[in-house]
Amino acid sequence: QSALTQPASVSGSPGQSITISCTGTSSDVGGYKFVSWYQQHPGKAPKLMIFDVDNRPSGVSYRFSGSRSGNTASLTISGLQAEDEADYYCSSYTSSTISVVFGGGTKVTVL
Amino acid sequence: QVDLVQSGAEVKKPGASVRVSCKASQNAFTANHLHWVRQAPGPGLEWMGMINPSGGSTSYAQKFQGRVTMTRDTSTSTIYLELSSLTSEDTAVYYCAHSSGWWALDYWGQGTLVTVSS
Repeated sequence: QSALTQPASVSGSPGQSITISCTGTSSDVGGYKFVSWYQQHPGKAPKLMIFDVDNRPSGVSYRFSGSRSGNTASLTISGLQAEDEADYYCSSYTSSTISVVFGGGTKVTVL
Repeated sequence: QVDLVQSGAEVKKPGASVRVSCKASQNAFTANHLHWVRQAPGPGLEWMGMINPSGGSTSYAQKFQGRVTMTRDTSTSTIYLELSSLTSEDTAVYYCAHSSGWWALDYWGQGTLVTVSS
């Protein structure tokens, strides 16, 4: 069982917006600005899409945005494209064990 | 640009140890930390720990303490992950990853498949 809770799957049609949630506690997601999101295509290494809750690394599309409310962080993908079909993972620093915890992952399907 | 190149796949018997290497580009060795993350068959990522490349200090996930050792060789810009007392549950792809700060993993190696089987 993962420390952070994500929905197993989310789907949307091309051009639509989807949001993936990531729920933790005040010891991780809600307590620190160290929330990240990763995209992983089959057989590939994860790719950093969002860091520190709402920051995009250089080269990542503006269609990806992050936010947080209380103990839940969210990743929104706007203008959904076929290439966005992948697994997405959230992660957070946790003070309870001074480590990184991941969510169980969300499979995004583009209909 | 940061490059991380990992060693090749390994097959080990239960009870054995495995050592995986990750050679970093020179600029990556000035990072705050280099991390190890594993992915068992199926979805899911698991953080194992991190090492400060310059000073050598380490921090391990509680789950692996006593069974994991992370080291580095500054002369070759390489870090190593050693995991002992392997069981079938350690079958996974092991990734090294770079963080410019502390906790966001901005560059990843290509992964190393470790298979534990009798």
